[in-house]
Amino acid sequence: NAGVTQTPKFHILKIGQSMTLQCTQDMNHNYMYWYRQDPGMGLKLIYYSVGAGITDKGEVPNGYNVSRSTTEDFPLRLELAAPSQTSVYFCASSKTGAGANVLTFGAGSRLTVL
Amino acid sequence: DQQVKQNSPSLSVQEGRISILNCDYTNSMFDYFLWYKKYPAEGPTFLISISSIKDKNEDGRFTVFLNKSAKHLSLHIVPSQPGDSAVYFCAATFRPSGNTPLVFGKGTRLSVIA
Repeated sequence: NAGVTQTPKFHILKIGQSMTLQCTQDMNHNYMYWYRQDPGMGLKLIYYSVGAGITDKGEVPNGYNVSRSTTEDFPLRLELAAPSQTSVYFCASSKTGAGANVLTFGAGSRLTVL
Repeated sequence: DQQVKQNSPSLSVQEGRISILNCDYTNSMFDYFLWYKKYPAEGPTFLISISSIKDKNEDGRFTVFLNKSAKHLSLHIVPSQPGDSAVYFCAATFRPSGNTPLVFGKGTRLSVIA
């Protein structure tokens, strides 16, 4: 009963490096999301996907890329990391239809860019 | 421009008393509202929701009230327990079953003192 699994939990990245945050869910949810949470701030949507092969930008997509080749996986790619991308990243998933707004979140990935 | 506002960053309440967390929204198109709860080092979890066709929804100790004319909702926790200490996020969207991603407030940190 894993739910939404994110890896890594913690990572330190140097400015200009790239990395991928992994997210996988085992609930057969069609919708998946990436949010970031900065200190004292709410959750801001980076990208989301309504199904395999379909992705869309959220509120703060710059500096990130996503892909959705399977229902289960929704990796988030950071290209040319900047200090402004220091944040906690949350992946989430949800069903379609009436349950679409009840998101199941992963435990988060804390990323520091130095 | 914040569409969902939680103006109190923190709240302290004695165990057994009522906790009232407030949320205001600016977009009159929002018609479905949710509260999520977050413990440290964990992802947010869904707590309770309300559709704009209602003005109250109860689930055990948790009640959400919606005042559409004031664009205001509140979460009441009665009685408050130490385990309720967490950050509470208010979220809103345009329809209950659609794939429009949630917009979150900044959160209110609730501390319930034994």
